[in-house]
Amino acid sequence: DGGITQSPKYLFRKEGQNVTLSCEQNLNHDAMYWYRQDPGQGLRLIYYSQIVNDFQKGDIAEGYSVSREKKESFPLTVTSAQKNPTAFYLCASTDGQGYGYTFGSGTRLTVV
Amino acid sequence: AQSVTQLDSQVPVFEEAPVELRCNYSSSVSVYLFWYVQYPNQGLQLLLKYLSGSTLVKGINGFEAEFNKSQTSFHLRKPSVHISDTAEYFCAVTPIYSGGGADGLTFGKGTHLIIQP
Repeated sequence: DGGITQSPKYLFRKEGQNVTLSCEQNLNHDAMYWYRQDPGQGLRLIYYSQIVNDFQKGDIAEGYSVSREKKESFPLTVTSAQKNPTAFYLCASTDGQGYGYTFGSGTRLTVV
Repeated sequence: AQSVTQLDSQVPVFEEAPVELRCNYSSSVSVYLFWYVQYPNQGLQLLLKYLSGSTLVKGINGFEAEFNKSQTSFHLRKPSVHISDTAEYFCAVTPIYSGGGADGLTFGKGTHLIIQP
């Protein structure tokens, strides 16, 4: 079945370390997205990519970086510059028209 | 830019009672509208969406929503809830571009639906 795979499901990071979250899709979708979820805050857009080798900042891009070298993959790096990285991170994808978005099952990142 | 307001952060309802979760949006362009459900520590599952046509949209698990353009609302309803409906519900919008393209969803802050036995 087609879908989005996020790994790992749980991730612990020491302060000052960079960490990379994986997102892979086999839906042949052009566009991919990273959202951050905090309790009571809804989901906020970090970065998105509508085509390979191109991406745009979302509303809260500071302290994060992404790459899009393959259509299927859109990894997110949480850098040491992100002041409060503990959150639930969700990856999503859609066709080019935005008729429907598919979400992964998420990665919970905790800074220890 | 778009914004979404979910008017209730938490809605307690007795089992088998009806429920309405309210959603209002603001946008300078036309939008597609969505309702998603999230169970603890999981991703989002699409309940229903409005793209065009009939303003009453039926979704999964017995949910439906009505798009009201004049009031910029997209309220979610279910005539009789079950314990398994306990979850977080998110309303979201995305702008419609004539040339295609998908800038991502703008979400409300969510409504926690609590079903009481």
